[in-house]
Amino acid sequence: EAQVTQNPRYLITVTGKKLTVTCSQNMNHEYMSWYRQDPGLGLRQIYYSMNVEVTDKGDVPEGYKVSRKEKRNFPLILESPSPNQTSLYFCASRGDATNTEAFFGQGTRLTVV
Amino acid sequence: GENVEQHPSTLSVQEGDSAVIKCTYSDSASNYFPWYKQELGKRPQLIIDIRSNVGEKKDQRIAVTLNKTAKHFSLHITETQPEDSAVYFCAASKGSNYQLIWGAGTKLIIKP
Repeated sequence: EAQVTQNPRYLITVTGKKLTVTCSQNMNHEYMSWYRQDPGLGLRQIYYSMNVEVTDKGDVPEGYKVSRKEKRNFPLILESPSPNQTSLYFCASRGDATNTEAFFGQGTRLTVV
Repeated sequence: GENVEQHPSTLSVQEGDSAVIKCTYSDSASNYFPWYKQELGKRPQLIIDIRSNVGEKKDQRIAVTLNKTAKHFSLHITETQPEDSAVYFCAASKGSNYQLIWGAGTKLIIKP
């Protein structure tokens, strides 16, 4: 089954404690992306990757890092989380530049206290 | 760069009536326009999409229309049902660019 898998689904952490949210896709997609979703603000892109070892900033990259060492994995790293990073996070992948569906992971609800 | 505007931000309709959500885009080179539905607590999922060589596409109760001259596209839902209640997002992309540019979303409320 084609899918994007994120882990964990829920995470409560404390300010400053480094964390990683994993994202994996089994569709051999070149393109992967991270979004955050806050109430009333829709989907805001954090980082994206066009292929292995190729990453670029989205609209809200401050406070986040990503890596793309393998095609299937695209982890999101918060080196020093702060309360304003409390949000719902989605990973997505897309496989064909000539216009096809983006597949989303289940989402990770992060709370930073 | 591309900008996508979506209206309205909230839409409340009586069950059984029709709902229409509109999006406008700025880049005339955009050629792919998907619509995603996000139910409460769930991930966004594609419900319908249209490419620039087509003016309209239907799938049962939902349809999308595209006006390339005016650079806008719309989602139409007929005979709305309670399960249509969700947030709907439009998006646009072009050519060899993987990036999807998203609208801000519309919360659709179906009143019983």
